[in-house]
Amino acid sequence: RKEVEQDPGPFNVPEGATVAFNCTYSNSASQSFFWYRQDCRKEPKLLMSVYSSGNEDGRFTAQLNRASQYISLLIRDSKLSDSATYLCVVNPTDSWGKFQFGAGTQVVVTP
Amino acid sequence: GAVVSQHPSWVICKSGTSVKIECRSLDFQATTMFWYRQFPKQSLMLMATSNEGSKATYEQGVEKDKFLINHASLTLSTLTVTSAHPEDSSFYICSAMQGSGADTQYFGPGTRLTVL
Repeated sequence: RKEVEQDPGPFNVPEGATVAFNCTYSNSASQSFFWYRQDCRKEPKLLMSVYSSGNEDGRFTAQLNRASQYISLLIRDSKLSDSATYLCVVNPTDSWGKFQFGAGTQVVVTP
Repeated sequence: GAVVSQHPSWVICKSGTSVKIECRSLDFQATTMFWYRQFPKQSLMLMATSNEGSKATYEQGVEKDKFLINHASLTLSTLTVTSAHPEDSSFYICSAMQGSGADTQYFGPGTRLTVL
């Protein structure tokens, strides 16, 4: 089983719609989680950090469910510029700094 | 803030040559930097952890004699791919953590290496 698992997608989303997807992680001791956004042939860019139950930043909301060991990302009012691959990243407590990356969920926002 | 640069952004070289990639933290000091490799449609794979002033820690399966890492200062880490072969062609990305105890990594723009 992979340490961090994501639905690869693609999630095809009409502009203005809402899309949500999950990420599951295997290390129950993990304390910090991140969503990064990666555009094609570019580096990952931090979207948001998730430390407690969740975090909200504008149209983006992340939720953390420790009992079920998953985090989710919800994008409201999708823009064409939201098209990207979203990487779920876990910073495991027992090997601090050695991020565990999901393979990414591709989101395609269509006009 | 928290800007990381990489140089070069892309490089094409002949098989057997060595390629050096630089990773710099521009506006902060990074005691720890990480080197990743990413193949098309795959996630980032950690190659090694680079600590300033000490030897890098390599992940299992990564040859330390082939991928030489030097972290000579708090703002610079270098990765040298020695005797590159076509299978080394990949997207190499570095990241840096801002100070001890920090847990957010900031990524450089990546270096696309093509070995002919």
